[in-house]
Amino acid sequence: EVQLVQSGAEVKKPGESLKISCKGSGYSFTSYWIGWVRQMPGKGLEWMGIIYPGDSDTRYSPSFQGQVTISADKSISTAYLQWSSLKASDTAMYYCARQHHDARGWFDPWGQGTLVTVSS
Amino acid sequence: EIVMTQSPATLSVSPGERATLSCRASQSVSSNLAWYQQKPGQAPRLLIYGASTRATGIPARFSGSGSGTEFTLTISSLQSEDFAVYYCQQYNNWPPGFGGGTKVEIK
Repeated sequence: EVQLVQSGAEVKKPGESLKISCKGSGYSFTSYWIGWVRQMPGKGLEWMGIIYPGDSDTRYSPSFQGQVTISADKSISTAYLQWSSLKASDTAMYYCARQHHDARGWFDPWGQGTLVTVSS
Repeated sequence: EIVMTQSPATLSVSPGERATLSCRASQSVSSNLAWYQQKPGQAPRLLIYGASTRATGIPARFSGSGSGTEFTLTISSLQSEDFAVYYCQQYNNWPPGFGGGTKVEIK
């Protein structure tokens, strides 16, 4: 069974750094793009960016370029989303998902989500 | 950047009735469109890709149609488990993006 399992909920203060993870199993991790999607409280889905773990090729939506860093460690089948300095506006649920097709594709399956709360 | 607009924002439907959800792109996305279902407290689930191909395990009451800029998701006979929020996503142009969602609620 293809699965993406994300790290647990985080509560951080503004200005702190954070790295959340997404571990894939049940498929060849290096053969599919992994994407990240933000969902702010009570809002819709926002496409953030993708990484190809096979060669670490990374693409960002302009809205998120420079705001977050996406990385992957193929030796442990894990992708990451990180912030160097969190803001209150980063409070959201973050989902990882396996992307099909190519660098532009659909997401299936999705991880269970990681809730990030940033509050002083 | 392509803007995806979903309508209506909320759709009130009785169980057993047909639901028709619309997704419009600000420019052509060919057939590179997916639909997702999200229930409260859950991650989104893929329903449709390629505008009309059902994902594995998705019941036949879900169907997608359209190409270019106009797309439709139809649920032929709503079941209790279908009340949720539905999102479309285009993946034809960079960056890919989602519509704002349609909430299907019980009438």
